[in-house]
Amino acid sequence: AQTVTQSQPEMSVQEAETVTLSCTYDTSESDYYLFWYKQPPSRQMILVIRQEAYKQQNATENRFSVNFQKAAKSFSLKISDSQLGDAAMYFCAYRRSLSGYALNFGKGTSLLVTP
Amino acid sequence: DVKVTQSSRYLVKRTGEKVFLECVQDMDHENMFWYRQDPGLGLRLIYFSYDVKMKEKGDIPEGYSVSREKKERFSLILESASTNQTSMYLCASSPGEGTAQFYEQYFGPGTRLTVT
Repeated sequence: AQTVTQSQPEMSVQEAETVTLSCTYDTSESDYYLFWYKQPPSRQMILVIRQEAYKQQNATENRFSVNFQKAAKSFSLKISDSQLGDAAMYFCAYRRSLSGYALNFGKGTSLLVTP
Repeated sequence: DVKVTQSSRYLVKRTGEKVFLECVQDMDHENMFWYRQDPGLGLRLIYFSYDVKMKEKGDIPEGYSVSREKKERFSLILESASTNQTSMYLCASSPGEGTAQFYEQYFGPGTRLTVT
């Protein structure tokens, strides 16, 4: 089974600063998808960014970017110019190749943004 | 926009009751999922369905069953609720293969179930 590990239960960042959330995973597959999801307090889980393993280029979505290191099985999320609205629980996820393409999630990182 | 809705945001039930959690998606997605979210454990897959009347067990199916009679609706059933099933339940859906965004899952707002 593919496991996903987020080693930082909580992180804090000041507004306008940059923060990096860590994620490592374990898999024997060569082609797969990785995701970062954001879950704001009492709100719906939404997709932040997606990375296809066959793509060497790191994915970027506005202020969000990833550092994908396939050999190291590392998939970190960088948030630039942090905003108060970025405060949320962030989950790293691996898409299975079976089980209907269900996701394996890490335990999550709670991000606090301070003014 | 894809919309996934869940019948209740908060639910309180008694031990031994039969509980139904409903999930509806409006984007004609083939795949639907039920996850359980607990602090410090992340999300864990309970059941999934890839077509009407088709269902498969996930990682923690014990104590749960599901029903998918219509494509847009996926129900999670707790046959006899127990206190260790107190949790947040999240429903998700995704398109089938061959579609542009079949890799993405869309989540409902969650149902926080308390079993006393």
